[in-house]
Amino acid sequence: ETGVTQTPRHLVMGMTNKKSLKCEQHLGHNAMYWYKQSAKKPLELMFVYNFKEQTENNSVPSRFSPECPNSSHLFLHLHTLQPEDSALYLCASSQEVLAGRTGELFFGEGSRLTVL
Amino acid sequence: SQQGEEDPQALSIQEGENATMNCSYKTSINNLQWYRQNSGRGLVHLILIRSNEREKHSGRLRVTLDTSKKSSSLLITASRAADTASYFCATDQETSGSRLTFGEGTQLTVNP
Repeated sequence: ETGVTQTPRHLVMGMTNKKSLKCEQHLGHNAMYWYKQSAKKPLELMFVYNFKEQTENNSVPSRFSPECPNSSHLFLHLHTLQPEDSALYLCASSQEVLAGRTGELFFGEGSRLTVL
Repeated sequence: SQQGEEDPQALSIQEGENATMNCSYKTSINNLQWYRQNSGRGLVHLILIRSNEREKHSGRLRVTLDTSKKSSSLLITASRAADTASYFCATDQETSGSRLTFGEGTQLTVNP
């Protein structure tokens, strides 16, 4: 138990569906992240939120839409995805002490997404 | 090529042996971190070493950092079957802002 909970753990969706991934952290951290992990590729950072403000969007297609209503919750809204978007989506949180420096990340167990 | 490249890509050893994994990177860093991932699960932080540190220990783990060579190594001593996992290094680059850049990982298999 890392203190970061992701739901659902598994999701199968068609290309025309709309679904959302949810992440909740119980650690009091001020930064939250979405990463994408595909087979045979390094983890790709998608979005970063610091104190609920989006500080990074790593050229992610608009079919992925993040939402951070408060510092404990992070969502990833999915719409008209492609089969190549099938991957493990990992949420993480951290306590940012110094601007521009990243400390230890605490990851959730991930949401395994399959797009048919 | 990637910032944070691990070497080797795969490593298979017997229980009780030591496992060494290497990581190379390209730009100046604030810190370098090692993570472990069991198959299909989330990543777990193992150890963080700052750019002004050269060596760090945590239990059976020993991490070294050579900023002149832009490389790091992770040594797991007296390995156990439960150490079987993928191991990733991640760099906090000086110019990257709030992000860690991960390598592709080393798949370690420890045979009982």
